[in-house]
Amino acid sequence: KNQVEQSPQSLIILEGKNCTLQCNYTVSPFSNLRWYKQDTGRGPVSLTIMTFSENTKSNGRYTATLDADTKQSSLHITASQLSDSASYICVVIQYGNKLVFGAGTILRVKS
Amino acid sequence: KAGVTQTPRYLIKTRGQQVTLSCSPISGHRSVSWYQQTPGQGLQFLFEYFSETQRNKGNFPGRFSGRQFSNSRSEMNVSTLELGDSALYLCASSEQGISSGNTIYFGEGSWLTVV
Repeated sequence: KNQVEQSPQSLIILEGKNCTLQCNYTVSPFSNLRWYKQDTGRGPVSLTIMTFSENTKSNGRYTATLDADTKQSSLHITASQLSDSASYICVVIQYGNKLVFGAGTILRVKS
Repeated sequence: KAGVTQTPRYLIKTRGQQVTLSCSPISGHRSVSWYQQTPGQGLQFLFEYFSETQRNKGNFPGRFSGRQFSNSRSEMNVSTLELGDSALYLCASSEQGISSGNTIYFGEGSWLTVV
């Protein structure tokens, strides 16, 4: 069954600290993997897109990694800010235009 | 460049009614896709349209339908509304489509409440 599992479900960190969010998937055939940030009540915003051959992709303080062999991805946030408080969603896209969404990790950054 | 625009932003409907949601993609984008987001099920893919043709469909009943016009604008229709259809409906657009590797840009969504 095609699934995307994210961990942890929720996370609270202090401003300025780093954190890493995990995404494990069983989706096949794999086309690409995307991380999105979704603020409460808003539409998701794209952070990174990675294809099979890419191991790392950065977008400012966000760095995503992909291990296609173990079917794992991570999103690392450096020097967190209050504005990083949001839901982070991992999405895996299959060939054939099918998307499989993770349930998301809710991140709260405290001052 | 204007982003993805969805209307209306909020609406309340009664069970059994139908609803039509509208989406204007980013200029030049030919792919429009629709998603449902609920607290229980998270984000789920409804369907994708590309150049007026439905390219893919998620696992939703036939009550959920859509179409795309020649100017790439899209509408989504839900007939015979059920309480469980209460959700945030998101529209997204991209230049070449979901699996092309292009960035997918989301609108702010339409909040539908069915009472």
